[in-house]
Amino acid sequence: QKEVEQDPGPLSVPEGAIVSLNCTYSNSAFQYFMWYRQYSRKGPELLMYTYSSGNKEDGRFTAQVDKSSKYISLFIRDSQPSDSATYLCAMSANDYKLSFGAGTTVTVRA
Amino acid sequence: DAGVIQSPRHEVTEMGQEVTLRCKPISGHDYLFWYRQTMMRGLELLIYFNNNVPIDDSGMPEDRFSAKMPNASFSTLKIQPSEPRDSAVYFCASSLGGMTSATQYFGPGTRLLVL
Repeated sequence: QKEVEQDPGPLSVPEGAIVSLNCTYSNSAFQYFMWYRQYSRKGPELLMYTYSSGNKEDGRFTAQVDKSSKYISLFIRDSQPSDSATYLCAMSANDYKLSFGAGTTVTVRA
Repeated sequence: DAGVIQSPRHEVTEMGQEVTLRCKPISGHDYLFWYRQTMMRGLELLIYFNNNVPIDDSGMPEDRFSAKMPNASFSTLKIQPSEPRDSAVYFCASSLGGMTSATQYFGPGTRLLVL
């Protein structure tokens, strides 16, 4: 079993819809949770960063962490075609080693 | 800020040849990471450095892979000899230690194809 599980999709939604992405993990030592966005043929870029449990909102993006369930989510409201990308969850314990999910490919149709 | 710089952006080589990938981290960042991304295995951490010192190389797949960081502004990842299964996109990332230690900034990657 992988340390971080993420449904690779693909996920296709109409413009304006809410995109819901999630990851589960098995390592209870993880405390830092991130979402990266990767456009085709580009490097991943940090989208959201959360420490421990709770919610974090940044514009149209909301990240949720439920450590009791070992489950994290990313919601994108009012999705735009420019949101079309692969979204990778990542997490880390108290060191600098990130464990990534497989990534979910999202397409937002105009 | 120019961000993390990697070169070359694309590399095509033949099996058995030596391949050297280069990375310039963001100025002032004290952590540097090398990753490999494939469709089958996703994004995997190969090795990371702190203040030019290798901290964890447990992700380096074989002795054919080696990485160095001679100074704070330059790192190399070398594969010798290369094999077709090394074909992947190799990313370099850097970060600044501290509260945002897990915030890593990725370069554009080097696409390696070994024939």
